[in-house]
Amino acid sequence: GENVEQHPSTLSVQEGDSAVIKCTYSDSASNYFPWYKQELGKGPQLIIDIRSNVGEKKDQRIAVTLNKTAKHFSLHITETQPEDSAVYFCAASTPPGGSYIPTFGRGTSLIVHP
Amino acid sequence: EAGVTQSPTHLIKTRGQQATLRCSPISGHTSVYWYQQALGLGLQFLLWYDEGEERNRGNFPPRFSGRQFPNYSSELNVNALELEDSALYLCASSQFWADTQYFGPGTRLTVL
Repeated sequence: GENVEQHPSTLSVQEGDSAVIKCTYSDSASNYFPWYKQELGKGPQLIIDIRSNVGEKKDQRIAVTLNKTAKHFSLHITETQPEDSAVYFCAASTPPGGSYIPTFGRGTSLIVHP
Repeated sequence: EAGVTQSPTHLIKTRGQQATLRCSPISGHTSVYWYQQALGLGLQFLLWYDEGEERNRGNFPPRFSGRQFPNYSSELNVNALELEDSALYLCASSQFWADTQYFGPGTRLTVL
């Protein structure tokens, strides 16, 4: 089955710096890669996603890049703010007909210091 | 538009008891997924329901079961509770065969 590795497990940055979280996946059939942000005591919230026919996607301060050949994708947050502090999860899923259920990474705890 | 809702927020049980957790999906979504998030761990897939049927099951023992009602809401039942069942249980919903899932706030289950 699919295996998703996420690094780093903890990331500490100063406000205004950029943060990068990286994930690798094993199943070349995976074609959908969402990123979730989970704040303390809340459920995960979808912040951005990318499909395998696209190499990069941006939404304001957040961007995701995908390298299908190398089977890795990354989340980039620019101009970090204290409210960006949370746990971020990546996931990979295969199309309907495959296993379909997303496999999640173990999460990255992002701490943004004011 | 209302998001995914879950009840109760917190649930405290003792070992050996049964727990029932409930989930209401986003209006128009027919698929409901259940995940277990133990402390410090990622999201482990439990069950997927759509149109009242169980579509897929994760690597969990049979004492984890559930069902989906005609209004697409869902219930997760955990029998013979064990201490290691203590976790945040998350429900997510999506349109059928749509890959984007939206999560609820979760139910924190504590087994004493």
